[in-house]
Amino acid sequence: AQSVTQLGSHVSVSEGALVLLRCNYSSSVPPYLFWYVQYPNQGLQLLLKYTTGATLVKGINGFEAEFKKSETSFHLTKPSAHMSDAAEYFCAVSQDDYKLSFGAGTTVTVRA
Amino acid sequence: EAQVTQNPRYLITVTGKKLTVTCSQNMNHEYMSWYRQDPGLGLRQIYYSMNVEVTDKGDVPEGYKVSRKEKRNFPLILESPSPNQTSLYFCASSLLAGTHEQYFGPGTRLTVT
Repeated sequence: AQSVTQLGSHVSVSEGALVLLRCNYSSSVPPYLFWYVQYPNQGLQLLLKYTTGATLVKGINGFEAEFKKSETSFHLTKPSAHMSDAAEYFCAVSQDDYKLSFGAGTTVTVRA
Repeated sequence: EAQVTQNPRYLITVTGKKLTVTCSQNMNHEYMSWYRQDPGLGLRQIYYSMNVEVTDKGDVPEGYKVSRKEKRNFPLILESPSPNQTSLYFCASSLLAGTHEQYFGPGTRLTVT
């Protein structure tokens, strides 16, 4: 079974600082990779996805993620945090069975 | 508008009182799934369906039932809810071909007392 590890359940950054959220997965076969964001009291919104092709993926709201097969990682970054980025972020992995396996989530707070 | 809808959005009930949470999608997706979200655990799959009349257990199926009589609908049934089923529930759907992207409903917050 797939496992997804998000390092750090809480991340606090200053407005304008780099946001880095780490995600590692267990798989010997390259999976489909996703980052979702959940704003307070809302549902899940897709930030970005990796399926095939270019390993650097750009998403919405200035986020991007890089698929590194050798490290089985899919870390999410944003160069400059904004107050509106305060949310919970989930990394998820899917393979041939279409099941999404989620990490435990990382809550991001942004300090003014 | 392409979407996944869930009803109700909020529900408070008592132990043992049967309930159904409905899920419907208008995208003609074959794959549908239910997840529950609990703090510190992320989302865990309860049941999924690859097509009409085809359902299977996910990681945490105990205490839940589902059915898939029509392609667009995938209700989640709790025949005898217990307090440990208090959670936030999400329905999702996806095409079987393509990127595996799943589209999520708005969520149903269930409290069982």
